[in-house]
Amino acid sequence: ILNVEQSPQSLHVQEGDSTNFTCSFPSSNFYALHWYRWETAKSPEALFVMTLNGDEKKKGRISATLNTKEGYSYLYIKGSQPEDSATYLCALKPNAGGTSYGKLTFGQGTILTVHP
Amino acid sequence: NAGVTQTPKFRILKIGQSMTLQCTQDMNHNYMYWYRQDPGMGLKLIYYSVGAGITDKGEVPNGYNVSRSTTEDFPLRLELAAPSQTSVYFCATPGPLAGGRAGELFFGEGSRLTVL
Repeated sequence: ILNVEQSPQSLHVQEGDSTNFTCSFPSSNFYALHWYRWETAKSPEALFVMTLNGDEKKKGRISATLNTKEGYSYLYIKGSQPEDSATYLCALKPNAGGTSYGKLTFGQGTILTVHP
Repeated sequence: NAGVTQTPKFRILKIGQSMTLQCTQDMNHNYMYWYRQDPGMGLKLIYYSVGAGITDKGEVPNGYNVSRSTTEDFPLRLELAAPSQTSVYFCATPGPLAGGRAGELFFGEGSRLTVL
């Protein structure tokens, strides 16, 4: 069983603060790393899919980096807004072919609350 | 284009009752997945299917059954509900622009099940 760890488990920040979370995964078993944003009562939505060591991706105020050699990814939010409040999930797609397509191992999530 | 549709959104069951969670996708992808989300635990894969007539167990299949008679539908059945099955259930598919094996998952809005 693969172990994908996220930290911190929860985070409270003030509006305007910048913040970051970590996703750790076994570096020996990597194919892709996904980040999802999940608001309560809505569907989790993909933020980034990262496959290459050193990848940096950005969407608006949110960005992510990937280090496959040491097995971690960082998600950054610049100038947090209340609407950024959500659970942020990372998920590892291990290096296996065939029917492993889409079989992701998720971390436990980081719950972000942005206070006005 | 609805994407992934799950019903019901909420349900309360008594111990020992049975029910089926419905999932329908219009993204025309062969692969579909059922995950459950427990607080602080991340999403765990229950069952998956790689095409009509083909299903396989995920990480936590006990107490559940699935069938896949069409590309669009992937129902999840709970035969004898137990309190341990209280969870949020998500159906997912890679979608039409999955970008190969690394591609993101598209989720339904979730079915919140409570077993009392």
